[in-house]
Amino acid sequence: DSGVTQTPKHLITATGQRVTLRCSPRSGDLSVYWYQQSLDQGLQFLIQYYNGEERAKGNILERFSAQQFPDLHSELNLSSLELGDSALYFCASSVDESGFREQFFGPGTRLTVL
Amino acid sequence: DQQVKQNSPSLSVQEGRISILNCDYTNSMFDYFLWYKKYPAEGPTFLISISSIKDKNEDGRFTVFLNKSAKHLSLHIVPSQPGDSAVYFCASRSHGGSQGNLIFGKGTKLSVKP
Repeated sequence: DSGVTQTPKHLITATGQRVTLRCSPRSGDLSVYWYQQSLDQGLQFLIQYYNGEERAKGNILERFSAQQFPDLHSELNLSSLELGDSALYFCASSVDESGFREQFFGPGTRLTVL
Repeated sequence: DQQVKQNSPSLSVQEGRISILNCDYTNSMFDYFLWYKKYPAEGPTFLISISSIKDKNEDGRFTVFLNKSAKHLSLHIVPSQPGDSAVYFCASRSHGGSQGNLIFGKGTKLSVKP
């Protein structure tokens, strides 16, 4: 158990809909990272937040947004969903801002868009 | 264009023998390399890492070798155990650019047969 929790575990929705994925980092970790793993793909970095502020941005679509709240949990919002958004979404956390310390991953949320 | 490549999607090894997982990278700015292990229905867990100033790092049964001139790293598992059966991801990051976010390969599925 990494100490990172993600909810829900599974999510099934339809195209055009909007969903919110939630992540609680390990106690004491200030950074939260979001990654997407599509079929047969490695994990693609989406975005990082540190202590409530956006820190780094990767291949995140404009239809996707994220935020980190004062209690340090984070939410990833996916809107106008398309079939190709079906993937595993992982959240990771680390204690530092730069991301050079080890990142601990949650179990992931499997999103299926029908 | 993939910056981190794991060209073998799968590898099968007999228990007790050596497992060698390979990874190639293209970005010469990468200065830190990590291996993550992932079991089904779980998030990736950190296994071992190596800095670009080293060419070898060992932790128990796991050794990572780095060949900077060839932009190649490998993970050796000796002796292999059935519990090592998992997907192994190679990841890299650079000191500059998007800071600490990790760039992952697509993974290699290792099966260790009793």
